[in-house]
Amino acid sequence: GQNIDQPTEMTATEGAIVQINCTYQTSGFNGLFWYQQHAGEAPTFLSYNVLDGLEEKGRFSSFLSRSKGYSYLLLKELQMKDSASYLCAVIVGGGNKLTFGTGTQLKVEL
Amino acid sequence: GAVVSQHPSRVICKSGTSVKIECRSLDFQATTMFWYRQFPKKSLMLMATSNEGSKATYEQGVEKDKFLINHASLTLSTLTVTSAHPEDSSFYICSAAGTSGFYNEQFFGPGTRLTVL
Repeated sequence: GQNIDQPTEMTATEGAIVQINCTYQTSGFNGLFWYQQHAGEAPTFLSYNVLDGLEEKGRFSSFLSRSKGYSYLLLKELQMKDSASYLCAVIVGGGNKLTFGTGTQLKVEL
Repeated sequence: GAVVSQHPSRVICKSGTSVKIECRSLDFQATTMFWYRQFPKKSLMLMATSNEGSKATYEQGVEKDKFLINHASLTLSTLTVTSAHPEDSSFYICSAAGTSGFYNEQFFGPGTRLTVL
């Protein structure tokens, strides 16, 4: 089986930095995605990591350590609109089937 | 590019009726489509994977006779919830992968909110 864990909820202040962690236990790991999802809407793509290291894209960065089965999403200069659910998802094997983590509900406060 | 649509966006039906949800890739060919369901404040749970022209592969615990999936063309997949009951009320999301993006990227539809009375 596959376990992909995230904290259920996080709260942060506007303008601050927040790190959302994702740990996974899978066999045949072949990449990790981060998505943002607002309530009642489809997930939107944020980042993709397949090699160890940090991928930076504007205010959002994602890190992966394959040996530790660990990833994080870093959000800088938080804005109220960043309040959403953040999902990590893992691809296993050679196909494109995604297994989603439990999701983290982020609330940004003034 | 890489737009996926779903129809309808919302549907309310009576218990015992069947509901069909369409998922279309508008500007690329989707060799594989995925169907997910999502309960409030929960993550996405994969229901099935469908490849164009072949039978869908269902995840463990998903009843294939209740959730009928058809992927008859490279741009269209349908999910039919047969004899729907209130416990089938959920947010259903499709995604498509194929000739757009990097090889294992999925593009998500906007979702369909199903309410069974």
